[in-house]
Amino acid sequence: AQSVTQPDIHITVSEGASLELRCNYSYGATPYLFWYVQSPGQGLQLLLKYFSGDTLVQGIKGFEAEFKRSQSSFNLRKPSVHWSDAAEYFCAVGHGGFKTIFGAGTRLFVKA
Amino acid sequence: SQTIHQWPATLVQPVGSPLSLECTVEGTSNPNLYWYRQAAGRGLQLLFYSVGIGQISSEVPQNLSASRPQDRQFILSSKKLLLSDSGFYLCAWSVLFRTGMNTEAFFGQGTRLTVV
Repeated sequence: AQSVTQPDIHITVSEGASLELRCNYSYGATPYLFWYVQSPGQGLQLLLKYFSGDTLVQGIKGFEAEFKRSQSSFNLRKPSVHWSDAAEYFCAVGHGGFKTIFGAGTRLFVKA
Repeated sequence: SQTIHQWPATLVQPVGSPLSLECTVEGTSNPNLYWYRQAAGRGLQLLFYSVGIGQISSEVPQNLSASRPQDRQFILSSKKLLLSDSGFYLCAWSVLFRTGMNTEAFFGQGTRLTVV
């Protein structure tokens, strides 16, 4: 069955440090992949998406993600984290048809 | 541009009372519509999705129901709320690519429901 795994429940990084959030998926075909961010009490906002083509995808707010088919991964990165990046991040796979499968989320804490 | 409206933002309801949460989408036609629930500190659970007026698919057996009376309106309901219905409810929409895969989902701001 299709699934998305975010191995880290929470991560703490210092402001200005680099960030990498991990995402692994299980899907039989070439997936559509997404990263969303959720601030407390808010809905989810799309950061970036991968459908095909260049495996390094640029998104909003300085985020990027790299699709690695051999590792079934779609890790999210940012070179320098800002305090406003503290939030919960969800990786998702576009399931064939109408459903999108979400990971359990990774909560990011940023320390000064 | 497309927008999605979800209301109310917060709701406190007694056990056994009815529930109606409404979601409307503007700027797109024939969207796929979704209701998700998010328990505290947990991921998203898909409750219902709809691919057209009157077409509702339920993902998990529960105390809730959904309806789609108009193309861009999606309603989540309950006749009698349980304590376990408390959570953060999110409405979302997407469209289907010609490839048969979903585009990204666009989310409403959510409703915080507390059943007391």
